[in-house]
Amino acid sequence: DIQLTQSPSFLSASVGDRVTITCRASQGISSYLAWYQQKPGKAPKLLIYAASTLQSGVPSRFSGSGSGTEFTLTISSLQPEDFATYYCQQLNSYLSTFGQGTKLEIK
Amino acid sequence: QVQLQESGPGLVKPSETLSLTCTVSGGSISSYYWSWIRQPPGKGLEWIGYIYYSGSTNYNPSLKSRVTISVDTSKNQFSLKLSSVTAADTAVYYCARRGVVQGTRYYYYYMDVWGKGTTVTVSS
Repeated sequence: DIQLTQSPSFLSASVGDRVTITCRASQGISSYLAWYQQKPGKAPKLLIYAASTLQSGVPSRFSGSGSGTEFTLTISSLQPEDFATYYCQQLNSYLSTFGQGTKLEIK
Repeated sequence: QVQLQESGPGLVKPSETLSLTCTVSGGSISSYYWSWIRQPPGKGLEWIGYIYYSGSTNYNPSLKSRVTISVDTSKNQFSLKLSSVTAADTAVYYCARRGVVQGTRYYYYYMDVWGKGTTVTVSS
């Protein structure tokens, strides 16, 4: 099974900060990676797929990069509505797994 | 715009079978893979499995022995059955659509449409 490890698990930042979340895969997954944002009591929302493609309607301050085993999600300038939990997910043809999540809190 | 809605009992007794249905509205269930994902209280997301509209399935190896996902194209619904449940199966259960885009060499997948989730508690 492919394991995804996100770091950090918790992140404290201020409005306007640039933040980066890392997702490492236990084996190479090419660019089969998506990122989601989840707010309390809500379903996850797709932000990025194919490692770096921004989903329609998602603000351009979100960006993704990486391939193989290391991926990053960057928020260029945090807005109040960005404080949430972020998950990476690998999706090959047949199976899928999620990272454990990164909770982004207001400093 | 495609919308998903989970339905089913909110309380299941230990050792019994959890049964949920996801109804797809605003679009056809055909030509997509559909998924179940769950989230225990205060914890992260766990992928349970996929079903294609034709009926082919893929399951999380850790749950495979207890999971059955089925589809009813006439009703635009797909369903989850999880047998022999314990308290560890208490979670919010989400259904989602697996979208696909063709890249230059490969197909890339993502979950672009989600239901709001339904809470299932396993307790006697």
